[in-house]
Amino acid sequence: DAKTTQPPSMDCAEGRAANLPCNHSTISGNEYVYWYRQIHSQGPQYIIHGLKNNETNEMASLIITEDRKSSTLILPHATLRDTAVYYCIVRVVPSNYQLIWGAGTKLIIKP
Amino acid sequence: DTEVTQTPKHLVMGMTNKKSLKCEQHMGHRAMYWYKQKAKKPPELMFVYSYEKLSINESVPSRFSPECPNSSLLNLHLHALQPEDSALYLCASSQDSGQGKSEQFFGPGTRLTVL
Repeated sequence: DAKTTQPPSMDCAEGRAANLPCNHSTISGNEYVYWYRQIHSQGPQYIIHGLKNNETNEMASLIITEDRKSSTLILPHATLRDTAVYYCIVRVVPSNYQLIWGAGTKLIIKP
Repeated sequence: DTEVTQTPKHLVMGMTNKKSLKCEQHMGHRAMYWYKQKAKKPPELMFVYSYEKLSINESVPSRFSPECPNSSLLNLHLHALQPEDSALYLCASSQDSGQGKSEQFFGPGTRLTVL
């Protein structure tokens, strides 16, 4: 199963774009990249996912490199409420169920 | 309704007690999950139910006993736990699309302390 590697912590100024990197160099061709975040003492929250193409939704953008060995989650205008642990995850396919969680990046948004 | 609810929010129990954690969702999801999360670690999958049948048991000790009474409810029965079982227990649900794209919705968790 593919594993993910993330920096343990990052800071970002409020109002700036937060760029969170993830390495998944052993990812298989049919494995999706998911991002979740967990605000302190809450359950994880789904952010976005992708397979090959870049994706954007109301929360974030996901940029996946052409070789699929790494990706970047972009929060375009970070707010204090975006302070959380961000998990980069590979979904095992064809199993619908198992998420291979990375250790996560603690993102701190500073005023 | 896009919410997964869990009760209780906090639970303190002794090693000889029997207690249950409850989880409920009304999104029509057919897959439901139990995770265990220790401090500063990612969630660890314990059990998966698909269409009310247990489909994954990640070698969890028998002192944890899951139950899925219907498609909206998931229970975790606890008996003879150890202090190292103290953790945040998370419930999640997802559509059972079978295509590997369905996101999981998580509840807020039950903070369990075993004395």
